[in-house]
Amino acid sequence: QKEVEQNSGPLSVPEGAIASLNCTYSDRGSQSFFWYRQYSGKSPELIMFIYSNGDKEDGRFTAQLNKASQYVSLLIRDSQPSDSATYLCAVNGGYNKLIFGAGTRLAVHP
Amino acid sequence: DTGVSQDPRHKITKRGQNVTFRCDPISEHNRLYWYRQTLGQGPEFLTYFQNEAQLEKSRLLSDRFSAERPKGSFSTLEIQRTEQGDSAMYLCASSLPRTQETQYFGPGTRLLVL
Repeated sequence: QKEVEQNSGPLSVPEGAIASLNCTYSDRGSQSFFWYRQYSGKSPELIMFIYSNGDKEDGRFTAQLNKASQYVSLLIRDSQPSDSATYLCAVNGGYNKLIFGAGTRLAVHP
Repeated sequence: DTGVSQDPRHKITKRGQNVTFRCDPISEHNRLYWYRQTLGQGPEFLTYFQNEAQLEKSRLLSDRFSAERPKGSFSTLEIQRTEQGDSAMYLCASSLPRTQETQYFGPGTRLLVL
């Protein structure tokens, strides 16, 4: 059973701080990794994807991938109250399906 | 708005009734996926279409569930003889045929079975 693990949170950070969200996965053969943001009652919204070891930056977001440690992370710089949401880590589970973690709830307080 | 649309957005039904949901993917996307999400959990894969062919089904998809994509465009997901445990958000996603998939989700259909 392929698994994706995330700390459920909530992760509480002050406005302007860096939020660090972590994810581990069980399938060493996984090739592509995704971060989705989900506001309460809404559907997941793609933030970033990463395929290669190392860092990938997009605006205030940085995804980090370490395939040897089977670890993916998302850093959010200059966190804003509007970033408060659940962040879902997803791994391509083969045959084109995504395997999601349960999500980490982020709360950014003013 | 990702360009993936789903209808209806909300459905309340009584146990034992049949329900059908529709998904219209982004027009150039030939891959379409259905997921189910319950409270506090991430989405769980149900089934996947490439064009009109249903190429994979999860063991979560019991015999009461059926999905179609007859012309390779929109898709329907039908649940027969609904049970209270079917209450969930049903999400549709679509993607282009690249090796590394990037899936875009529709707004979802929230089902409540009474």
